[in-house]
Amino acid sequence: NAGVTQTPKFQVLKTGQSMTLQCAQDMNHEYMSWYRQDPGMGLRLIHYSVGAGITDQGEVPNGYNVSRSTTEDFPLRLLSAAPSQTSVYFCASRQQGPRETQYFGPGTRLLVL
Amino acid sequence: SQQGEEDPQALSIQEGENATMNCSYKTSINNLQWYRQNSGRGLVHLILIRSNEREKHSGRLRVTLDTSKKSSSLLITASRAADTASYFCATDGNQFYFGTGTSLTVIP
Repeated sequence: NAGVTQTPKFQVLKTGQSMTLQCAQDMNHEYMSWYRQDPGMGLRLIHYSVGAGITDQGEVPNGYNVSRSTTEDFPLRLLSAAPSQTSVYFCASRQQGPRETQYFGPGTRLLVL
Repeated sequence: SQQGEEDPQALSIQEGENATMNCSYKTSINNLQWYRQNSGRGLVHLILIRSNEREKHSGRLRVTLDTSKKSSSLLITASRAADTASYFCATDGNQFYFGTGTSLTVIP
């Protein structure tokens, strides 16, 4: 199993540009989520999904869109990038249920100029 | 706002010493998990303790949970230089919430 994979590893954007961060998992996990990590802030939940076709907002959803058309994929879209979205983005997945371990991808470093 | 807060924010110890870090959280939980993050890498799951458990061990790791105080502690015994990393607690109520982390440096 590849686990949770993310692409790209690093991206530089100009303010106002759009892009999609890709996330895929091959563990047949129902639950997937996106976090951003900023210095001194820990990880903050952006959006999450409990299954294909179902998404919901986390702590900091503004400026981001998600969709979940398949169990495997959970892309994160920035429609109009802003410097405040400069961060490291982590995708994670786990089986549904309160006692399941969450598995993280390697992260995408995003710089918005 | 974030659910968990770790204490201390930074910790520096000599190799072989024990390292203790604490986590406090705000609301009821199903479980609490500890993760390690090496610099520039993703998070690695260390240990999960359920809300009805008080203590759990895994190798050199010992985790305690006090739901009445809404707090948990992670003890790493006989620390090694390879333990140098940031450690996060994460609480799982309806969603996962992470604390801001403790940065541990183990000096060889």
